[in-house]
Amino acid sequence: QSALTQPVSVSGSPGQSISISCTGTISDVGAYNSLSWYQQYPGKAPKLIIFNVNYRPSGVSNRFSGSKSGNTASLTISGLQAEDEADYFCSSYTSSDTLVVFGGGTKLTVL
Amino acid sequence: QVQLVQSGAEVKKPGASVKVSCKASGYALTANFLHWVRQAPGQQRLEWMAWMNPNTGVTNYAQKFQGWVTLTRDTSINTAYMEFRNLRSDDTAIYYCARMTAGSTSYIDLWGQGTLVTVSS
Repeated sequence: QSALTQPVSVSGSPGQSISISCTGTISDVGAYNSLSWYQQYPGKAPKLIIFNVNYRPSGVSNRFSGSKSGNTASLTISGLQAEDEADYFCSSYTSSDTLVVFGGGTKLTVL
Repeated sequence: QVQLVQSGAEVKKPGASVKVSCKASGYALTANFLHWVRQAPGQQRLEWMAWMNPNTGVTNYAQKFQGWVTLTRDTSINTAYMEFRNLRSDDTAIYYCARMTAGSTSYIDLWGQGTLVTVSS
C-alpha cells in the first residue's frame, strides 16, 4: 500500500485537459511544498515533470501544471497529446525517516 | 551531463546476492542523498527501499529490507552500491537509484536508468 493515494487510471481525448489527484496526510503533502510529479514510459525510468508543487524543470512542456490544497495535490495536463500516454507518480517529502513517499501511480490513456 | 548510470541487468538464483552500482556523473556523489527504489515488472508501484547520505555514509532502510540490503559507496569513484542478500523470486524487479535535492525543499530530481534483477531458479 502506497503512502500517497492516486487514482489507478484516468483517460482523456486529444486536446482535452485531465487532472490526477494525489492525497496524503499532514505529515507529507499537507506539511511541505516538496511535492513532485514524475512521468514514466514503459521500460523507462521516471522523469521529473513538476517539483515544489507547481514548478517545471527546463524542457518540460507548459501543458503540465501542478497545484496543492491541504493534503491533496493535483497534476493537470492540458491539450492532451498521444505522447502524454504514460504512468504518472506523485511524491512528497515526509517527516518520517524515509524522507520521501510515493503515490501508487496513475496510468493515463489518451483515447 | 548530470546523470546516474547503473550497472547492467542481473539474473540470480534464489538465495543468491546481487550488488548493483550507481555511478554519479557530472556532480559529486557526496553532495546529495541517494535513494533506492524498486518497481516490480509490469507493476506501477514504486517501492522505497533505503537512502544513504554519501557524504557521511549514514543510511536508513525500510523495515522489510533491514538485514537484507546494504548500501555502501566509494567516493573516490563517485559510485554508490546496493547489495541485496538472500534473494527471493518476488525480489525480481527494476532497481533504481535516485538523487534527492539538497536545500530547503527536497525532492528526487534525477533517476538512474534502472537495473533489472531477475531471481529465478
